[in-house]
Amino acid sequence: GENVGLHLPTLSVQEGDNSIINCAYSNSASDYFIWYKQESGKGPQFIIDIRSNMDKRQGQRVTVLLNKTVKHLSLQIAATQPGDSAVYFCAETGYSTLTFGKGTMLLVSP
Amino acid sequence: ETGVTQSPTHLIKTRGQQVTLRCSSQSGHNTVSWYQQALGQGPQFIFQYYREEENGRGNFPPRFSGLQFPNYSSELNVNALELDDSALYLCASSPRDSQETQYFGPGTRLLVL
Repeated sequence: GENVGLHLPTLSVQEGDNSIINCAYSNSASDYFIWYKQESGKGPQFIIDIRSNMDKRQGQRVTVLLNKTVKHLSLQIAATQPGDSAVYFCAETGYSTLTFGKGTMLLVSP
Repeated sequence: ETGVTQSPTHLIKTRGQQVTLRCSSQSGHNTVSWYQQALGQGPQFIFQYYREEENGRGNFPPRFSGLQFPNYSSELNVNALELDDSALYLCASSPRDSQETQYFGPGTRLLVL
């Protein structure tokens, strides 16, 4: 994948705001998508998934939207909390191999 | 916490050496995948093991090899270490009924000097 070095896209929000993190995926044949949260020094943590036959899926405080026409995925976090600060990755798969996006750093200030 | 464990947590090696990293999958999971994550980047797929056989491989040279054992635990071996092998190595396991959904361990941080 493209090397973005240490300069991840960053989203800064205030505690209590809603956050929207976007992701463009590359393979139109991908039929399953996952959002992961990765805190510093830890492995990626599963947040929410969605299949290509859906446009929207909701979890606890999180919503994933899928637009297959433009190959775009978004993660919405409601009432963002300081504990949500992390790097967020979208991942796509057509079978069992995950291909990760570049990641977005979410910074939540109190 | 996912129940996927990895050892060791940190490791320092010198160029040319060999390293073995270990992963225990979550209970009930029979598929293990390995990823390399360089600083500031997303994880890159190395390979996947299912029923003790390699079930897919990413763009990594043959000096990256692996094993899966009957209890579904797994090893990643890297020979002839290079400086660019310095990274976080992640193991992920998947349940029998959903191989696409992968749950990650905490990773092993490898530094090659």
